[in-house]
Amino acid sequence: GQQVMQIPQYQHVQEGEDFTTYCNSSTTLSNIQWYKQRPGGHPVFLIQLVKSGEVKKQKRLTFQFGEAKKNSSLHITATQTTDVGTYFCAGRAAGNKLTFGGGTRVLVKP
Amino acid sequence: GAGVSQSPRYKVAKRGQDVALRCDPISGHVSLFWYQQALGQGPEFLTYFQNEAQLDKSGLPSDRFFAERPEGSVSTLKIQRTQQEDSAVYLCASSLSPVDTQYFGPGTRLTVL
Repeated sequence: GQQVMQIPQYQHVQEGEDFTTYCNSSTTLSNIQWYKQRPGGHPVFLIQLVKSGEVKKQKRLTFQFGEAKKNSSLHITATQTTDVGTYFCAGRAAGNKLTFGGGTRVLVKP
Repeated sequence: GAGVSQSPRYKVAKRGQDVALRCDPISGHVSLFWYQQALGQGPEFLTYFQNEAQLDKSGLPSDRFFAERPEGSVSTLKIQRTQQEDSAVYLCASSLSPVDTQYFGPGTRLTVL
């Protein structure tokens, strides 16, 4: 079945630094979504990418969908303590089912 | 407006007991999804409803798991004869249509002793 992998599993970042987390699917996706889950919380929708090569920005967050629609990345600039949490990508291939990656857990060192 | 709500928020069950977890989706949302999230993992799809119809139950781990949404609104996930490996957070999400943004509830944390 479809698999979605995320790397790295953990990201320790100094406050103010940039980092990127990557998402790779075993199958071509119709779209990909990104969610953020704070410790003890539930996943909160961030963005959806649909088109090949699409790039979307939300303030300090930049999301990219690969040309082959099998991978995606999230880049955060000038990391803040409010960025702490786990970032999940979730891919939709055929049908309505979302397959989540294992997440990247972000810890920020002040 | 109100978001997705789930109850109970926490449930402790003895092995072998049956449990029922409730999800109240956002009003008007046609699609409803159940996920299981083990500690340190991403949510894993269990089942999907469009209105009252259960269109995909491919993620249910065994025949001990059963979900229903009889009137196309509130949904219940039932687990019979709970086992320790059923311990997880059970998340419900709803969306306007199957491909729209999914809004998650706070989850029910199930602990089976």
